Amino acid sequence: EPEVTQTPSHQVTQMGQEVILRCVPISNHLYFYWYRQILGQKVEFLVSFYNNEISEKSEIFDDQFSVERPDGSNFTLKIRSTKLEDSAMYFCASSGSGGAHEQYFGPGTRLTVT
Amino acid sequence: AQSVSQHNHHVILSEAASLELGCNYSYGGTVNLFWYVQYPGQHLQLLLKYFSGDPLVKGIKGFEAEFIKSKFSFNLRKPSVQWSDTAEYFCAGPQAAGNKLTFGGGTRVLVKP
Repeated sequence: EPEVTQTPSHQVTQMGQEVILRCVPISNHLYFYWYRQILGQKVEFLVSFYNNEISEKSEIFDDQFSVERPDGSNFTLKIRSTKLEDSAMYFCASSGSGGAHEQYFGPGTRLTVT
Repeated sequence: AQSVSQHNHHVILSEAASLELGCNYSYGGTVNLFWYVQYPGQHLQLLLKYFSGDPLVKGIKGFEAEFIKSKFSFNLRKPSVQWSDTAEYFCAGPQAAGNKLTFGGGTRVLVKP
């Protein structure tokens, strides 16, 4: 069964550094998402991406965040200057179409900012 | 805006006991609801989904959920749990105007052997 993959599984970085989290969505999917879960808190939506542009973003997704689909397979989340509060599990998801269709989640990248 | 809430944060029960996890939503438009499960060390997996039609939805691993519009609820049930059902369970729904999922706070379920 096709699945969403994410790398790395765990990233440790120092405050102020840039990180890039990588995702490979399911190959025929068209919609891509990033969510995050701070330890002990809810899973929160960050951004959705369709047709090579952001379709929706949350308040969390400020100027330090960006997303890109650099080629036909990867979908990346960049955090330009990490803060301690960016420490969280970041989940990538993809879906075949928008609206009421299930999103398939990757295993997550645990980001630790020290 | 749609919100989703789960009232039980932690549930502990023994094998063969019945499980019911509460989920309430607030939204006046078309409702699409999901239950996801996250087993220890694994990613979020879809248990079941409701879009329309029969309000009693059956999912994988013996789980079912009932959509009750008058109560704004979408509770998850399993008549007899197993130790392997130990996991965190998340109720979620999409915004009508976009595709993002809004998650409830999650319920950690521990099934004692």
